[in-house]
This record gives sequence, structure tokens and C-alpha cells, in this order.
Amino acid sequence: EIVLTQSPGTLSLSPGETATLSCRASQSISSNYLAWYQQKPGQAPRLLMYGASSRATGIPDRFSGSGSGTDFTLTISRLEPEDFAVYYCQQHGRSPPRIFGQGTKLEIK
Amino acid sequence: QVQLVESGGGVVQPGRSLRLSCAASRFTFSHYAMHWVRQAPGKGLEWVALIWYDGSNKYYADSVKGRFTISRDNSKDTVYLQMNSLRAEDTAVYYCARDHNGDGYSYMDVWGKGTTVTVSS
Repeated sequence: EIVLTQSPGTLSLSPGETATLSCRASQSISSNYLAWYQQKPGQAPRLLMYGASSRATGIPDRFSGSGSGTDFTLTISRLEPEDFAVYYCQQHGRSPPRIFGQGTKLEIK
Repeated sequence: QVQLVESGGGVVQPGRSLRLSCAASRFTFSHYAMHWVRQAPGKGLEWVALIWYDGSNKYYADSVKGRFTISRDNSKDTVYLQMNSLRAEDTAVYYCARDHNGDGYSYMDVWGKGTTVTVSS
């Protein structure tokens, strides 16, 4: 079973800066089947990225994903106040169980 | 727009049962696999269960296997989670989520707002 480890646990940045979030898998994720979700307090998660680098519908191009194999990155450029949230990575494209990373909290510095 | 609405949460004593429902609208429900995902207070996301588009295959997290049952009624555009032998550690917000595919191999592209289950004596 794959384990997804996200780092850092908490990232403190200011609006306008660039955030770099990491997700490392314990074994290679085939075809880059890696998704990212954003969750704001009191809200449901929202799909941001899938296939490691494809943006979901309506997601601004400030969000970008990259990586392959076991190392994946979510980059958020020009941080807006609404971007401060918790971000989770998750592998897809294979049979269950579906594993989430433990999350990275992006907070305002 | 596409919508999922969960219901059925509440406060229940340990060992008792509860059934959650998730009603879908504005998409062809019978084409998609459906998941349940939960989030304990202050914790991260935990996948709970998956059912294929036609109900032919079901999968469960080890933490709920043998206690929870996922099912669906495509004539009612609804997916269910029957939770038996509830434990304090099942306390969480329960979300239903649509899989982008019918076989559950894809990402979760639509989420409901969640329903809260509290297991306490």
C-alpha cells in the first residue's frame, strides 16, 4: 500500500509570494496518477489538479502541478488571500484503497 | 450545477447504527462510481468506501470493513453508507464524492458538503 508524505506540514507565506508544496510517495505512482485537493475551513475539499499536472475546471493558472514517479509538487504563484487553506495529495488510477497525504496547511504569514 | 447532498448524520451511541444518504443531481448518476470519505475533527481526509457505477463492485477501508456497507439506488440517484457497530473513532464529517470514472479508478471531481456523525454515549 502506497504511503503519501506531504511536506512541509505548515507553510507560512505572504500574499503575492509563491508556495511550493511537496508530496512524496513510498512507491512509484504509475502514469502520474496524482491529484491535489484544496480544503478551506468548514468546507468540503475541492479538486485542484489531476494526473499530476492537469488543472481541474475553473482552477486558475496560478496553480500548477509537476513531478513523476515518487516526487510531486504543487506550486501556487502570486498567492491570493483565498489560497490559504489545507492541501492534500492523493493517488488515483489504481484499485482501492485510496490514500490521501496528511495535508499541508498554507497559512498567512 | 452538479450537486451532491449528504444527509442522515447525527449523534449516536457506541454500538448503534446509522445510515447516511447522498443525493445526486444534474448529472447522469448511473455513469459514475461514488466514494465516501470522512474527516475526524481536526484531522485529515480518510477514504472510507467506493462503489462502482452499477453497484457490481464495492471496496472498503480496513478501518470499516465488516461494519460499513456502501450501496446505491440508481433509480433514485442516491448512494448510501450503512454504518453498524459504530465506535467513537468513527466520529467525523462524512463526505460523498463522485469519481470521474465509472470504475472508481479516477480522481474525485465533485464533493458534497458533508454530514456530521458523532458517536458518543
